[in-house]
Amino acid sequence: QVLLVQSGAEVKKTGASVKVSCKTSGYTFTGYFIHWVRQAPGQGLEWLGWINPNTGGTNYAQRFQGRVTVTSDTSVNTTSMDLIRLTSDDTAVYYCARDIRRGSGSYIDFWGQGTLVTVSS
Amino acid sequence: DIQMTQSPSSLSASVGDRVTITCRASQTINSNLNWYQQKAGKAPNLLIYTASSLQTGVPSRFSGSGSGTDFTLTISSLQPEDFATYYCQQSYSTPRTFGQGTKLEIK
Repeated sequence: QVLLVQSGAEVKKTGASVKVSCKTSGYTFTGYFIHWVRQAPGQGLEWLGWINPNTGGTNYAQRFQGRVTVTSDTSVNTTSMDLIRLTSDDTAVYYCARDIRRGSGSYIDFWGQGTLVTVSS
Repeated sequence: DIQMTQSPSSLSASVGDRVTITCRASQTINSNLNWYQQKAGKAPNLLIYTASSLQTGVPSRFSGSGSGTDFTLTISSLQPEDFATYYCQQSYSTPRTFGQGTKLEIK
């Protein structure tokens, strides 16, 4: 079955960086884009960006440009998200999620379990 | 960026009620609209894709409609397990924006 398993919770200081990994299984890794989405406590869902694991191509939300980097390693079917210069506003649960293409659009059919990143001074 | 606006932000209803949640896009997105359900402490779960297609395994009491800028999610007869938060998301362009969510609570 399709699984996306994320790395464990992180506690970071303001100004530090964090790396969250997402190991996939049960499907052809290079056949599907992977999104990264976050959710601050009590808040809604916010899209950070995505990666095409086949080409390594990425697309990031403008507000995270320069702070977020998403990479993939096809040898271990894993994608990772790096976020630098953390502030308390980055405290959130971070999700990886698989994208399915349909016509001109797409949707997310499988999600990781989420990784809580807590940023404090 | 395309802004997605859901209404209402919260809703109280009873088991057996028919409920409708709306989502409006700031520009046309054709039928590139998805609906997700999220329960506390869990990842979201896909309900409806491309505005009206029911995801495999999702009960038929859920339905979606709309195109262009205005969309609706309808639950025909609320069940206890449906009390959750619902999000729309556009897949017309990047960034893939979500609505702010609609929290469905028990009356």
